[in-house]
Amino acid sequence: DTAVSQTPKYLVTQMGNDKSIKCEQNLGHDTMYWYKQDSKKFLKIMFSYNNKELIINETVPNRFSPKSPDKAHLNLHINSLELGDSAVYFCASRQGQGTSYTFGSGTRLTVV
Amino acid sequence: AQSVTQLDSQVPVFEEAPVELRCNYSSSVSVYLFWYVQYPNQGLQLLLKYLSGSTLVESINGFEAEFNKSQTSFHLRKPSVHISDTAEYFCAVTSNSGGSNYKLTFGKGTLLTVNP
Repeated sequence: DTAVSQTPKYLVTQMGNDKSIKCEQNLGHDTMYWYKQDSKKFLKIMFSYNNKELIINETVPNRFSPKSPDKAHLNLHINSLELGDSAVYFCASRQGQGTSYTFGSGTRLTVV
Repeated sequence: AQSVTQLDSQVPVFEEAPVELRCNYSSSVSVYLFWYVQYPNQGLQLLLKYLSGSTLVESINGFEAEFNKSQTSFHLRKPSVHISDTAEYFCAVTSNSGGSNYKLTFGKGTLLTVNP
């Protein structure tokens, strides 16, 4: 049973399209995150939710809109995709004080 | 705010040689420290972490890291590497008081390549 699952694993789309990436965790964690890994492998936080409430929004363009229908899900919707959005997007969840994250396996988004 | 510097972007070594991957951090508050490993085309896996207590922490596959508060470092070491250790290694830091919801700040990664 996958603890943090993301779908799809790969996503190829054209510029200007709107797409969504879904994330689900079955660990019962209260906090979920989206991280972006760029072409140089640099990882940076995008959003953090705690019990469906947005906690962190790190200077991400407003074309990116996270949605958390319940604490087990955190989806990422991206409008008007641009070439620079091409990256690997990782979902993660966490429970407790600074304890380890559990990361999903990533979604590789390619915008052409 | 925190930052992490991984001094080497690439470290090539021969099999069975020792290796050290360097990590320095900057923070105005006390921190938790982590090393994550990313194998090619895979997600991030926790390798080891320092939360409190003993400054030397070990992983199940032979890696260890030592927290040095005075030098603000958390270097990763392994006395004898295997080809299967070839991967990208990321050092990460977070505030230990819950600041910024325990968001992780990552270094830029070190690619460890183990050659036969």
